[in-house]
Amino acid sequence: GAVVSQHPSRVICKSGTSVKIECRSLDFQATTMFWYRQFPKQSLMLMATSNEGSKATYEQGVEKDKFLINHASLTLSTLTVTSAHPEDSSFYICSARVPLGGGYTFGSGTRLTVV
Amino acid sequence: AQSVTQPDIHITVSEGASLELRCNYSYGATPYLFWYVQSPGQGLQLLLKYFSGDTLVQGIKGFEAEFKRSQSSFNLRKPSVHWSDAAEYFCAVGAGNTGFQKLVFGTGTRLLVSP
Repeated sequence: GAVVSQHPSRVICKSGTSVKIECRSLDFQATTMFWYRQFPKQSLMLMATSNEGSKATYEQGVEKDKFLINHASLTLSTLTVTSAHPEDSSFYICSARVPLGGGYTFGSGTRLTVV
Repeated sequence: AQSVTQPDIHITVSEGASLELRCNYSYGATPYLFWYVQSPGQGLQLLLKYFSGDTLVQGIKGFEAEFKRSQSSFNLRKPSVHWSDAAEYFCAVGAGNTGFQKLVFGTGTRLLVSP
């Protein structure tokens, strides 16, 4: 139980285009989801907290207009990287709080490469 | 501010030998503590978590961790390492209020298993 599905697993896009990454909770309702970014051989850095039905809360230094987050339902949060540049290339991982003290479950990640 | 320190960047252990990965945290209140494992190019899998109660926590794959408040530590242990345990291990602390806790991660420890 408590599975989060993240798609796509890999995406290559041209510089200047936008990319959408989806994160779905398959067997539970996720009122809160989290988006992380992970650089090679580094830890996960929280980008933003996504709350269903309200605006996302961004961490300091994260550009709200570049990383658009939408959490329109209890099972889906999306991260859109707008006007992507090569420096946005990274591994993006979503996470959701599992109800009733289940901790946090993570998606399998999305490897974004901007060329 | 909350923080997690994993002092060992790399650890090499012989297959069959015991393992201990260190984790120290800084948090003003009672922490929610987690250990996750990440294989290359994959998301994170929860090994175990501590919320309250017994300070020795059993997890999956034969892992356990002990919460020591006096030392602000939550070290991960396994009595006999298998080659399949080679991966990146992250310690994390849940920070924030009860409703919207976010995870703060350590920098990770890469475990290498030698034959």
